[in-house]
Amino acid sequence: EPEVTQTPSHQVTQMGQEVILRCVPISNHLYFYWYRQILGQKVEFLVSFYNNEISEKSEIFDDQFSVERPDGSNFTLKIRSTKLEDSAMYFCASSEAGAGGYTEAFFGQGTRLTVV
Amino acid sequence: SQQGEEDPQALSIQEGENATMNCSYKTSINNLQWYRQNSGRGLVHLILIRSNEREKHSGRLRVTLDTSKKSSSLLITASRAADTASYFCATDRLANRDDKIIFGKGTRLHILP
Repeated sequence: EPEVTQTPSHQVTQMGQEVILRCVPISNHLYFYWYRQILGQKVEFLVSFYNNEISEKSEIFDDQFSVERPDGSNFTLKIRSTKLEDSAMYFCASSEAGAGGYTEAFFGQGTRLTVV
Repeated sequence: SQQGEEDPQALSIQEGENATMNCSYKTSINNLQWYRQNSGRGLVHLILIRSNEREKHSGRLRVTLDTSKKSSSLLITASRAADTASYFCATDRLANRDDKIIFGKGTRLHILP
């Protein structure tokens, strides 16, 4: 069964460093998302991406964050200068259609980011 | 504003019993999805129910949707130890045509042996 793949599974970084989280969405999907979950808290929306551009972003997704689809398969989330409060589990998701399009959003296993 | 809210926040039941979790939401939706998350792991998609559907089944899962009450329920029948996890509902928002789904805080389900 096709699945969303995320790497690495766990990343530890120094505060102020840049990190890139990588995702390979399901191959025929057109809509891509990043969410995060701070330990013990709810899953929060960060950004959605369609047709090579951001379609929506939350207030969490400030200038420190960026997304890119550098080739036909990868979808990345970059945090330019990490802060302690960026420590969280980051989930990538993809779907065939957008949020209102009656198709499921499938999530990867997540990357646990720890900023020290 | 909060779109999805599950209740109860936590639920402990004996193995073999049925578990029912509820989700309420505020604005009109196109569809509602339920996910499971084992501790510290990824989000596993369980079921999607469209706004024009009232009930949907998948194995031991039964989901209902009442759009007039803006609520949904997830029933797990004949629970097993492996069902211990957190369960989340996630909704889009029809009126805003947002391109995202919003998660509730989840119900932590614990199946007792």
